[in-house]
Amino acid sequence: DAGITQSPRHKVTETGTPVTLRCHQTENHRYMYWYRQDPGHGLRLIHYSYGVKDTDKGEVSDGYSVSRSKTEDFLLTLESATSSQTSVYFCAISEEGNTEAFFGQGTRLTVV
Amino acid sequence: AQKVTQAQTEISVVEKEDVTLDCVYETRDTTYYLFWYKQPPSGELVFLIRRNSFDEQNEISGRYSWNFQKSTSSFNFTITASQVVDSAVYFCALSEALGDSWGKLQFGAGTQVVVTP
Repeated sequence: DAGITQSPRHKVTETGTPVTLRCHQTENHRYMYWYRQDPGHGLRLIHYSYGVKDTDKGEVSDGYSVSRSKTEDFLLTLESATSSQTSVYFCAISEEGNTEAFFGQGTRLTVV
Repeated sequence: AQKVTQAQTEISVVEKEDVTLDCVYETRDTTYYLFWYKQPPSGELVFLIRRNSFDEQNEISGRYSWNFQKSTSSFNFTITASQVVDSAVYFCALSEALGDSWGKLQFGAGTQVVVTP
């Protein structure tokens, strides 16, 4: 199994509070991604990174920011959580030339 | 823009029946990759198969097979002789193969497969 760890695995937070989710990899892969999974939508890309300090927006980036200060860590921040951000969040990694992405176990976030 | 459509929301079968999952995609890229992922009730995402846009050869891997047809933009997936352990949500996904956009996945909405004994 690819070495991807997401933390926390579950979190309940209140509307308006900041939340940071962490993705840590031990594979030294260049590319990292954050997706959210919602019923009827499959998984949708929030942000991705193609190198240290190199990030870009995905399909549903509004309300989210990311940072990648070192290869192994990719942080997703909700500056002010809203109920619409209640979802399951998945981190993924991939390496050029090895096209399949490997996913973390997911973080279930509930905003009340 | 890329788009992946899985028209089947849920498929229910009895064990040992075959199951075919449909996937239709849209892309302007000439080089791309297609995937099938499985999400069992435990929630993790498991990579199953991959096909690139230059290889339309259809293959069989154990009980899994796939039918890739560029002419109809379809990438269908079949489970032969289904088992209860095949019960899961199956996602079709499309990926670009371009530089910094490498590996970004566009997912379909998923198809829930229920296999009953």
